[in-house]
Amino acid sequence: NAGVTQTPKFQVLKTGQSMTLQCAQDMNHNSMYWYRQDPGMGLRLIYYSASEGTTDKGEVPNGYNVSRLNKREFSLRLESAAPSQTSVYFCASSEGSGISYEQYFGPGTRLTVT
Amino acid sequence: SQKIEQNSEALNIQEGKTATLTCNYTNYSPAYLQWYRQDPGRGPVFLLLIRENEKEKRKERLKVTFDTTLKQSLFHITASQPADSATYLCAPNFNKFYFGSGTKLNVKP
Repeated sequence: NAGVTQTPKFQVLKTGQSMTLQCAQDMNHNSMYWYRQDPGMGLRLIYYSASEGTTDKGEVPNGYNVSRLNKREFSLRLESAAPSQTSVYFCASSEGSGISYEQYFGPGTRLTVT
Repeated sequence: SQKIEQNSEALNIQEGKTATLTCNYTNYSPAYLQWYRQDPGRGPVFLLLIRENEKEKRKERLKVTFDTTLKQSLFHITASQPADSATYLCAPNFNKFYFGSGTKLNVKP
């Protein structure tokens, strides 16, 4: 039982390049989330998917797109990376979409944009 | 927008003492508040959830209080151990998820 897995663990991009961060969960959870974590800023929600087939914007969605491929997988795409997107990205999942549900986090992807 | 305040300065305490971490929030009152633990290089791990109608919640050596009048939650670790050293994040849950930036706890043997 791996929980939430993320690939890659580390990535360096040049400004303007694109990439997709992958996330998968094996807990049969309905809801999935993408966060970014910057020093002193805490975790900020980028996008979330309350259930398969739905996605919604979070606090900081600009510059990102997401795809809920199926119940297990939720990907985050950067179409044209910018240095301001240098951050640690976490994927999370929860059984339900309500704010009372605990979230399970992946190990994170450390992204540097030069 | 929501503002969540956690002490950015690290809290250093001696093993065996009680650690108390503070989470203050502004504007709306959350229906729930969660606490997470984060170790370096890892994702946060859920610890406790407290509801707005609960004053206190306990789990083993952990205790959380929730004062909706003061707009504050306190997180206590009793009989602290070096293994408790980590960053602790609070997440007052409004209609969406918001996290504080966390307080780093250092427990010295």
